[in-house]
Amino acid sequence: NAGVTQTPKFQVLKTGQSMTLQCAQDMNHNSMYWYRQDPGMGLRLIYYSASEGTTDKGEVPNGYNVSRLNKREFSLRLESAAPSQTSVYFCASSEGWSWGPPNYGYTFGSGTRLTVV
Amino acid sequence: GENVEQHPSTLSVQEGDSAVIKCTYSDSASNYFPWYKQELGKRPQLIIDIRSNVGEKKDQRIAVTLNKTAKHFSLHITETQPEDSAVYFCAHRGFKTIFGAGTRLFVKA
Repeated sequence: NAGVTQTPKFQVLKTGQSMTLQCAQDMNHNSMYWYRQDPGMGLRLIYYSASEGTTDKGEVPNGYNVSRLNKREFSLRLESAAPSQTSVYFCASSEGWSWGPPNYGYTFGSGTRLTVV
Repeated sequence: GENVEQHPSTLSVQEGDSAVIKCTYSDSASNYFPWYKQELGKRPQLIIDIRSNVGEKKDQRIAVTLNKTAKHFSLHITETQPEDSAVYFCAHRGFKTIFGAGTRLFVKA
């Protein structure tokens, strides 16, 4: 039982390059999330998907796009990377109902450490 | 808007002492309050949570208390050990979970 799997674990990009961060969960969770974590800033929500087929913006969505490919997979795309996007990215999933705010904790992936030079 | 304030940002205690971290939130509709522990270089992990229909919950050496009237909730760690050293995050849930900025706990042996 892998939980939440993120790839890659490390990535270095040049300014302007694009890339997709992959996330998959095997817990049959409805809801999935992308967060970024910067030193001293805690965890900030980029995008989330309350259920398969829906996605919504979080606190810091600019410069990112997401795709909920199916119930298991939720990807995050950087179309034109900028140094300000240097961060650690965490994917998470949660049980919950598609018709209301989830009332359960998150299971996080192991993170992707992204550096944009 | 929704936010959560967490205090203190850094906490240093002697092994065996207690540690208390407090969070204050603004969204009256919040009904679920989890706490996460993040060790250096690792992912955050859920350690305890509380729902709004109870005032306190315990799990061995950790406990969480909730005061919905005052809109604050606290994490209590008793008999601290060096392995409790980590960053602790509070959060509150709606569709968009909002995290506190974190408390770095140091337990000195």
